[in-house]
Amino acid sequence: AQSVTQLGSHVSVSEGALVLLRCNYSSSVPPYLFWYVQYPNQGLQLLLKYTSAATLVKGINGFEAEFKKSETSFHLTKPSAHMSDAAEYFCAVSRIQGAQKLVFGQGTRLTINP
Amino acid sequence: DAGVIQSPRHEVTEMGQEVTLRCKPISGHNSLFWYRQTMMRGLELLIYFNNNVPIDDSGMPEDRFSAKMPNASFSTLKIQPSEPRDSAVYFCASSSVREAFFGQGTRLTVV
Repeated sequence: AQSVTQLGSHVSVSEGALVLLRCNYSSSVPPYLFWYVQYPNQGLQLLLKYTSAATLVKGINGFEAEFKKSETSFHLTKPSAHMSDAAEYFCAVSRIQGAQKLVFGQGTRLTINP
Repeated sequence: DAGVIQSPRHEVTEMGQEVTLRCKPISGHNSLFWYRQTMMRGLELLIYFNNNVPIDDSGMPEDRFSAKMPNASFSTLKIQPSEPRDSAVYFCASSSVREAFFGQGTRLTVV
């Protein structure tokens, strides 16, 4: 079985500060990992994905995430937060082989303080 | 492509009524997913289809919920009868190779 745990349901940072959103996964098979962003009243949009190539993955809007197998983590970072980054962020896992379904974490709401 | 299209965007209905949510996936995608999002439970996978065939419906909460995919370009999620606790945002997503694209969602309110 696969699962994802996002540490911290709410994260608040100042504009220009580092953004760090934590995600740990559990998977009995090599995983695919994803970060999605959801703006208010919108669907989910893919930020980036890890598919067993490079462990450091760069996504849209300046976000990146690093796959660390030893720590079973896939934390999302951005060096300098912008007001437009305020949204809810979801980490998700799926299996490389077999079923394609995505299992999501509970989400982290990111607030940016001016 | 216009992306995943869901209709209606908003639905308000009375308890006991039948509700049908619709989804048009992205052309060429062979998997389709229905998710439900609530404050309490977050994003829950209800059911997913692969090549129009239901693969896993273990997330469907109870027999009041049913989903169909009669062809590659259309799917429905039906709730009959609806209850206030079904109030949520329902998302449809379609995927190609390991990347899912989400619709804008249907906000369902059952009063």
